[in-house]
Amino acid sequence: EDKVVQSPLSLVVHEGDTVTLNCSYEVTNFRSLLWYKQEKKAPTFLFMLTSSGIEKKSGRLSSILDKKELFSILNITATQTGDSAIYLCAVSETGANNLFFGTGTRLTVIP
Amino acid sequence: GAGVSQSPSNKVTEKGKDVELRCDPISGHTALYWYRQSLGQGLEFLIYFQGNSAPDKSGLPSDRFSAERTGGSVSTLTIQRTQQEDSAVYLCASSLTGTRTRRETQYFGPGTRLLVL
Repeated sequence: EDKVVQSPLSLVVHEGDTVTLNCSYEVTNFRSLLWYKQEKKAPTFLFMLTSSGIEKKSGRLSSILDKKELFSILNITATQTGDSAIYLCAVSETGANNLFFGTGTRLTVIP
Repeated sequence: GAGVSQSPSNKVTEKGKDVELRCDPISGHTALYWYRQSLGQGLEFLIYFQGNSAPDKSGLPSDRFSAERTGGSVSTLTIQRTQQEDSAVYLCASSLTGTRTRRETQYFGPGTRLLVL
């Protein structure tokens, strides 16, 4: 049973569009939710969210967590071709050493 | 070093052969993780090392998989008698200890793409 589910699986947009990526999770003892960007091989850290309703922002990217409804969204405004990547959502759980990852959303931004 | 490094970047082997994958974590990071990413799948946890503590091997898929971490730094993941289903990208990550943010912000290496023919 998947603990982390991301949607959509893939997305194609034009430069300048705004996109919203979704991540829902189901873990027993939630601790935090993380977003990563994976362009080639190495996922790079974007955000870590632990509290509901507090938006994290970095440039054109922002993310928010809803611990009641068990989901997070990642927004990217004014998309650029360099935003093309797989965006991975992961959650950590008390008692587990590892992160549980979703399968990712593959975003393609076309000029 | 500036980041997590892994070698080799690509490995092609024949079914039944053993392979060794290497990970150099970020200097000073005491926690080290191995994950596997198969085509179209999310990252699958394999094993976790923290300092001198016994490793968490709960994610290893079979006894053909093993890993060690010598001197609290470099780690080697060994796959014995490789099978075609072992083909995947093997990612290593490291993190600091201390606050939750430090522990859970994992920095990933570029991975080793393993292909078993």
